[in-house]
Amino acid sequence: AQSVTQLGSHVSVSEGALVLLRCNYSSSVPPYLFWYVQYPNQGLQLLLKYTSAATLVKGINGFEAEFKKSETSFHLTKPSAHMSDAAEYFCAVSGRGFQKLVFGTGTRLLVSP
Amino acid sequence: EPEVTQTPSHQVTQMGQEVILRCVPISNHLYFYWYRQILGQKVEFLVSFYNNEISEKSEIFDDQFSVERPDGSNFTLKIRSTKLEDSAMYFCASSEGVAGGSEQYFGPGTRLTVT
Repeated sequence: AQSVTQLGSHVSVSEGALVLLRCNYSSSVPPYLFWYVQYPNQGLQLLLKYTSAATLVKGINGFEAEFKKSETSFHLTKPSAHMSDAAEYFCAVSGRGFQKLVFGTGTRLLVSP
Repeated sequence: EPEVTQTPSHQVTQMGQEVILRCVPISNHLYFYWYRQILGQKVEFLVSFYNNEISEKSEIFDDQFSVERPDGSNFTLKIRSTKLEDSAMYFCASSEGVAGGSEQYFGPGTRLTVT
């Protein structure tokens, strides 16, 4: 079985500060890992994904995530938060040959001026 | 840029009624999915569909649910007799392939409210 755990249902940062959203995964097979963003009243948009190539993955809007097998983590970071980054962020996992995404509970990022 | 579309954006129905949620996946995609998100909870997988067959379904996807690709463009989710607990946002997604962590593209969702 696969699962992801997102630590912190809410994260608050100031504009310009580092963003760090945590995700730990559990998978019995080598995983694919994803970060999705959901803006209010919108669908899910893929930020980035890990598919066993480079462990440091760069995504859209300046986000990146690092796959650390030893820590079973895939934390999402951005050096400098922008007001427009305020949204809900979901970490998700799928297995090789498995189609479904298993999502975490989400982290709401709040950005203050 | 191609996108997944869903209709309606919001549907209100009475308990026990049948509802059909509609999705138009991206045209060259072969794999289709339904997920749901109950308010304040995580996004949950319901079903995946390929080659006119269900390829995987979750425990949530019981006999009250069905999916269909009635023509070359639409992908529908039917709930035969809605319950209050079916109230949720339902997301359709599609992907070009399944290997290599193919990206699933999500639609904007249909908010289903069962009263």
